[in-house]
Amino acid sequence: KNEVEQSPQNLTAQEGEFITINCSYSVGISALHWLQQHPGGGIVSLFMLSSGKKKHGRLIATINIQEKHSSLHITASHPRDSAVYICAVRSGGGADGLTFGKGTHLIIQP
Amino acid sequence: NAGVTQTPKFQVLKTGQSMTLQCAQDMNHNSMYWYRQDPGMGLRLIYYSASEGTTDKGEVPNGYNVSRLNKREFSLRLESAAPSQTSVYFCASSEWANSNQPQHFGDGTRLSIL
Repeated sequence: KNEVEQSPQNLTAQEGEFITINCSYSVGISALHWLQQHPGGGIVSLFMLSSGKKKHGRLIATINIQEKHSSLHITASHPRDSAVYICAVRSGGGADGLTFGKGTHLIIQP
Repeated sequence: NAGVTQTPKFQVLKTGQSMTLQCAQDMNHNSMYWYRQDPGMGLRLIYYSASEGTTDKGEVPNGYNVSRLNKREFSLRLESAAPSQTSVYFCASSEWANSNQPQHFGDGTRLSIL
């Protein structure tokens, strides 16, 4: 079974700071997902990556397949970015797919 | 566009009681999933339905049953609730299970077993 580790577990930063959240996994994957869970509990898919880099607004996700590592960056962070960010990986072609990390709890203070 | 709708949002049960969590999606997705989320742990798959008419066990299926009622609806049943089943339950759907498609999640059901 793939092991998914996220760091840091908790992160508090000031508004405007550049944020990096890391995800590493133990076994080769076919895709990696970044998800966002707001304090109300709902979970939203942010990115799905199999190689390279993706950007959406102030969010950037990168993946290094050889190093089994992905990063999620937030530029010009804002208090509304406060949420839990979850990394999940799909290891193979099976239908039961995703293995989830424990999440990174991000708080952006004004 | 409602996406994935879960009911109820909150529920308190006594040990031994039964209940069914409902999930419906309006995106014409083929695959649906039930997860549980516990403090300090990642989401864990309980059961999934790769397509209408099929269901399979995930990582933590004990104490649960599921029904894929039709393409839209996938329910999760606790026959005899136990305190260890206190958790937040999420339903999700995707276009196909064995492909790199994003999963769409409901808002969750917070379940407490006393």
